[in-house]
Amino acid sequence: TQLLEQSPQFLSIQEGENLTVYCNSSSVFSSLQWYRQEPGEGPVLLVTVVTGGEVKKLKRLTFQFGDARKDSSLHITAAQPGDTGLYLCAGRGANNLFFGTGTRLTVIP
Amino acid sequence: DVKVTQSSRYLVKRTGEKVFLECVQDMDHENMFWYRQDPGLGLRLIYFSYDVKMKEKGDIPEGYSVSREKKERFSLILESASTNQTSMYLCASSSWPGNQPQHFGDGTRLSIL
Repeated sequence: TQLLEQSPQFLSIQEGENLTVYCNSSSVFSSLQWYRQEPGEGPVLLVTVVTGGEVKKLKRLTFQFGDARKDSSLHITAAQPGDTGLYLCAGRGANNLFFGTGTRLTVIP
Repeated sequence: DVKVTQSSRYLVKRTGEKVFLECVQDMDHENMFWYRQDPGLGLRLIYFSYDVKMKEKGDIPEGYSVSREKKERFSLILESASTNQTSMYLCASSSWPGNQPQHFGDGTRLSIL
């Protein structure tokens, strides 16, 4: 099993603040996906990063894949209450995905 | 949009019962997956399937079995439920190959008393 550790595990911030969450592994992945899971729902795909060093932006969310394709970060600018949820990274293995432990984000109005 | 439907949102069963969790997807996806989600442990893969009547063990298959008689339906079976199987269960599907982005159902929160 290829392990993906996410940090922090919990994060509570005020609306308007910036934040970064991390996804780290000792394994190399061909690509990495980020999902968001809102309370009472299943995870929903946000983005896939494929190339080492790649940066993708989705409105106020910026995703980066590490140069060595072992880690990734998600940066949120000016967080909104609608960003509240569980953020999961998932590394692409040979036949399936390996999910991280998750970062639970709460944005306080 | 892909829709993955899990038959129950909440389920309460007793220790020793045989429990069936059903999952149906409407996008003709080849791959289907069952995970359990527990605080601090993330999503752990129980079983997955690449085709009808085909199944592969994931990371934590003990105490579970699966059935895929039709392409759109993937069932998770707890042969004799135990309290340590209390969890949130998530079903997902994806197109071939199995490492493509997955589409998830809304989950079944199962409590074993």
